[in-house]
Amino acid sequence: AQSVTQPDIHITVSEGASLELRCNYSYGATPYLFWYVQSPGQGLQLLLKYFSGDTLVQGIKGFEAEFKRSQSSFNLRKPSVHWSDAAEYFCAVGNTGRRALTFGSGTRLQVQP
Amino acid sequence: DAGVTQSPTHLIKTRGQQVTLRCSPISGHKSVSWYQQVLGQGPQFIFQYYEKEERGRGNFPDRFSARQFPNYSSELNVNALLLGDSALYLCASSLSGQGQNEKLFFGSGTQLSVL
Repeated sequence: AQSVTQPDIHITVSEGASLELRCNYSYGATPYLFWYVQSPGQGLQLLLKYFSGDTLVQGIKGFEAEFKRSQSSFNLRKPSVHWSDAAEYFCAVGNTGRRALTFGSGTRLQVQP
Repeated sequence: DAGVTQSPTHLIKTRGQQVTLRCSPISGHKSVSWYQQVLGQGPQFIFQYYEKEERGRGNFPDRFSARQFPNYSSELNVNALLLGDSALYLCASSLSGQGQNEKLFFGSGTQLSVL
């Protein structure tokens, strides 16, 4: 069965500092990988996705993620965090059979002034 | 253009009751998926519907059911509510639900509290 692990439940960074959120997946075939962001009281917004090709993926709001097959990882990065980036971030893997997404448990990002 | 709309936004029920949640997809989208998000966890897949037919089901008991209407809106029904059903229920729409590279658009969810 496929699974997603986000090892960090909560991360605090200073505004302007760099950010890396970790994601490890378990999936038998080539994975379809996603990062979503959820602000309080809001639904999920897609930041970026990986299906194939270039392992470094650019997304919205200045985020990027790198797929590393050897480490089964898909970590999310941002060079300079803004206060508005404070939210919950979810990594997800696609399931070709059910066309459903399997989400990790999320990482809550807090940004200090 | 309107996004995915869900109603109601909040709901309080007691154990044993039944609840119906509603979702209207983005205009032109024919696929609707439902997810349950328990506090402190990631969303869990419940159902996917396309053209009024169930195309996928997650590991949820038969108390959970759904349907999709000719206008592509959808309802999620939960019978015999348990305390553990308290969660944010998210609806997502997509054009066809056929491809893995198809973008999902999520609504803001319905917060269900079971007392």
